[in-house]
Amino acid sequence: NAGVTQTPKFRILKIGQSMTLQCTQDMNHNYMYWYRQDPGMGLKLIYYSVGAGITDKGEVPNGYNVSRSTTEDFPLRLELAAPSQTSVYFCASSSSNQPQHFGDGTRLSIL
Amino acid sequence: AQSVTQLGSHVSVSEGALVLLRCNYSSSVPPYLFWYVQYPNQGLQLLLKYTSAATLVKGINGFEAEFKKSETSFHLTKPSAHMSDAAEYFCAVYASGNTPLVFGKGTRLSVIA
Repeated sequence: NAGVTQTPKFRILKIGQSMTLQCTQDMNHNYMYWYRQDPGMGLKLIYYSVGAGITDKGEVPNGYNVSRSTTEDFPLRLELAAPSQTSVYFCASSSSNQPQHFGDGTRLSIL
Repeated sequence: AQSVTQLGSHVSVSEGALVLLRCNYSSSVPPYLFWYVQYPNQGLQLLLKYTSAATLVKGINGFEAEFKKSETSFHLTKPSAHMSDAAEYFCAVYASGNTPLVFGKGTRLSVIA
């Protein structure tokens, strides 16, 4: 019973590098979300998806891209890493009208 | 649009004392309300949820919350704090099942022996 799995757990990037944060869920949830968490700022929604092939911007989408080719996977891509993207990233999933289930997060530092 | 305000970024209580974490919401429609807990270096874990079935909601680890429409509040309480309750607590709201959760900024709970 894995739930929501995020990889990697930690990563250090150089400015301008790109990377993909992976997220997969095994609960057959239609809805998936990406948040970033900065100290004292709560969670801010980056992108979300209501089903395979459908994605939508959240509160802070600039500098990120997502895709949803399958129900299970919702990767988040950083094309040109910037120091402002240093954060902890959380992926979550849910079914309609139900609470979101969260992964353990990816700690990303950009130097 | 819905929003959540958590009063107090840091609350400190003595072990065995009452825990009260405050949350006020804004929503144009009857909301779904949640409390999540985050332990250090972990993801968020659901404590409890309000979905209009009952105004007093019981959650895990002895926590409960009361929905008060007249006060637009959903405060989290626990009668007796334990050291293991030290964590970050987030209140969240959404207006329907198809919209993402909106989170408050969180309240860090410290428990003093």
